[in-house]
Amino acid sequence: SQTIHQWPATLVQPVGSPLSLECTVEGTSNPNLYWYRQAAGRGLQLLFYSVGIGQISSEVPQNLSASRPQDRQFILSSKKLLLSDSGFYLCAWGQNTEAFFGQGTRLTVV
Amino acid sequence: GQQLNQSPQSMFIQEGEDVSMNCTSSSIFNTWLWYKQDPGEGPVLLIALYKAGELTSNGRLTAQFGITRKDSFLNISASIPSDVGIYFCAGPDNYGQNFVFGPGTRLSVLP
Repeated sequence: SQTIHQWPATLVQPVGSPLSLECTVEGTSNPNLYWYRQAAGRGLQLLFYSVGIGQISSEVPQNLSASRPQDRQFILSSKKLLLSDSGFYLCAWGQNTEAFFGQGTRLTVV
Repeated sequence: GQQLNQSPQSMFIQEGEDVSMNCTSSSIFNTWLWYKQDPGEGPVLLIALYKAGELTSNGRLTAQFGITRKDSFLNISASIPSDVGIYFCAGPDNYGQNFVFGPGTRLSVLP
C-alpha cells in the first residue's frame, strides 16, 4: 500500500534562516506531488505541484521554492524565512482522481 | 478557475444528532472527494464518488454525487465527539493535475 512521510512534524525557525521540509512517498511510482499551506482555521492553499522529476509548477509568488530530485521525493525550501511563512505545511500525492496527505509540518517563524 | 463552495461554514451540534453539509460548484466535476481534518493533522480521505447520482457510505458517513455533477452532500449520522474537525470537499481540476478544495466546514460536537 502507498504511504506518505513528511517531516519534521513541528519546526521553530528564526527570521532569515533557511528552510527545508521533506516529503517522500512509498508504494507508487510517478505520482503527482503537491505542497499546500494552511493558515490557522483556514482552507488549503496550493503552493507547488510536480508531475515528474525536475518538473515544478508554482501557484503563487512567494519566498519559497520546491524541488523534486527523485520520483518520490518532494522538498520545500526557503533561503531566508519571513514571519509570514509561518503556517501548517502539507505534502500530498495524487494519481488522477484522489489525493492523499502527509501528517503536516507546523512551522513557526520567530 | 474552478471553485468549490461549502456550507455551512461552521456548525455546532449536540452529540447524537445527524449532520448534513454540502458542496457546490458552478462547473462540473467528474469526481467528488470528501476529507476530514483533525486538529494538527493532515486531511484524511473519507469518501470518493465517481458517478453522477452515486450514493456511498463509510460507516456513519454517507455522501452523494449530485446528478448535475455540480454538487455533493455529506451526511453524518448519530454524531460522536471524535467527529469534530474540518470537512473538506474536493475534486480533480479539468486538467487532471491539480485538485480543487472547498474552504471547509468546521464541525463542533457538544456533549
